[in-house]
Amino acid sequence: TQLLEQSPQFLSIQEGENLTVYCNSSSVFSSLQWYRQEPGEGPVLLVTVVTGGEVKKLKRLTFQFGDARKDSSLHITAAQPGDTGLYLCAGAYDMRFGAGTRLTVKP
Amino acid sequence: DAGITQSPRHKVTETGTPVTLRCHQTENHRYMYWYRQDPGHGLRLIHYSYGVKDTDKGEVSDGYSVSRSKTEDFLLTLESATSSQTSVYFCAISEKGVSYGYTFGSGTRLTVV
Repeated sequence: TQLLEQSPQFLSIQEGENLTVYCNSSSVFSSLQWYRQEPGEGPVLLVTVVTGGEVKKLKRLTFQFGDARKDSSLHITAAQPGDTGLYLCAGAYDMRFGAGTRLTVKP
Repeated sequence: DAGITQSPRHKVTETGTPVTLRCHQTENHRYMYWYRQDPGHGLRLIHYSYGVKDTDKGEVSDGYSVSRSKTEDFLLTLESATSSQTSVYFCAISEKGVSYGYTFGSGTRLTVV
């Protein structure tokens, strides 16, 4: 069983600030996914990372997979209110999700 | 739209009654999944299907059964609903399996009173 721990659990920032959220495990992942979920909706896939050390960029979002493939981070540059939501990481191997980071970006 | 719909969107039922939730897809994806989402627990896998009539249990399968008689439909049944099954239920689909990510439905909010 690969448990995923996400931190912080809650994050409230002002528009324009930068932030990083984390997803950690004691086990190695073959791949890891990040999702964003808005209230009343299902999660939406943002990215899949596969290779240790991999960095992927999606506009202002930068995703990094740790060299040992046990951890991942999501960095948002110049956060906007539209980034508000619950950010979830998921390990592909056993279909488990972390509990998520709830981000609020205030205008 | 991704072509996945869940019904009903909201349901209130009484303890001890059977309940069936439906997931319908128009993508012809092989894999389908049922998750429940609760505060502090994130998404937890209930059951999944890797083809018609091929299903398997997930992390929290007790008290739930599933059926998939057609590619497009995946049904989740609560045999005898309990208050602990009050939750938001999400269906997800995947064309090639979990490594390639899921597309989720909009969820069913179930309240057992």
